[in-house]
Amino acid sequence: NAGVTQTPKFRILKIGQSMTLQCTQDMNHNYMYWYRQDPGMGLKLIYYSVGAGITDKGEVPNGYNVSRSTTEDFPLRLELAAPSQTSVYFCASSYPTSGGPDTQYFGPGTRLTVL
Amino acid sequence: EDQVTQSPEALRLQEGESSSLNCSYTVSGLRGLFWYRQDPGKGPEFLFTLYSAGEEKEKERLKATLTKKESFLHITAPKPEDSATYLCAVQAWEYGGSQGNLIFGKGTKLSVKP
Repeated sequence: NAGVTQTPKFRILKIGQSMTLQCTQDMNHNYMYWYRQDPGMGLKLIYYSVGAGITDKGEVPNGYNVSRSTTEDFPLRLELAAPSQTSVYFCASSYPTSGGPDTQYFGPGTRLTVL
Repeated sequence: EDQVTQSPEALRLQEGESSSLNCSYTVSGLRGLFWYRQDPGKGPEFLFTLYSAGEEKEKERLKATLTKKESFLHITAPKPEDSATYLCAVQAWEYGGSQGNLIFGKGTKLSVKP
């Protein structure tokens, strides 16, 4: 299993441009997540999905959109990129167990710079 | 409000010098506490899940413990390859138990010198 894969690894955008960060998992996990990690800060949840066709906002959703058409894929869309969206983005997935903790597995990340 | 505080922010050890990293948490109802390792330029790598006070888990030179207010990651006789940032995260029981969102601390950057 490749686990969680993300593309691209690096990207530089100009202010106002748009892009999609791709995330795919091959573990048949129902739940998928998008986090951002800024220097010196903990990871912050952007959006999450509990299954195909179901998404919901996390702590910092402004400026982002997501969709979930399949179990495997969970793309993150940035519209009108702003310098505040310069960050490292991580996708994660999990197979939640009822009555117990839900361990998330992370991808390698996408480093995005907005100039 | 759920929150996680990790200390120290940075820790420098000599090879073989054992120590502990601390993770203090405040959560309405703990579903799970997680430790991850993150190498520079990489994604968090899962290490341990704990959910019951008194629980302990071990992996090679690492041992994680849990109380009702904090967790410790003990590193015994560390090696240079243990150098990384160690992240702690908690997961709370939400209404209906349907959310699995993690609340992360800022991490402890560990450097082990030969």
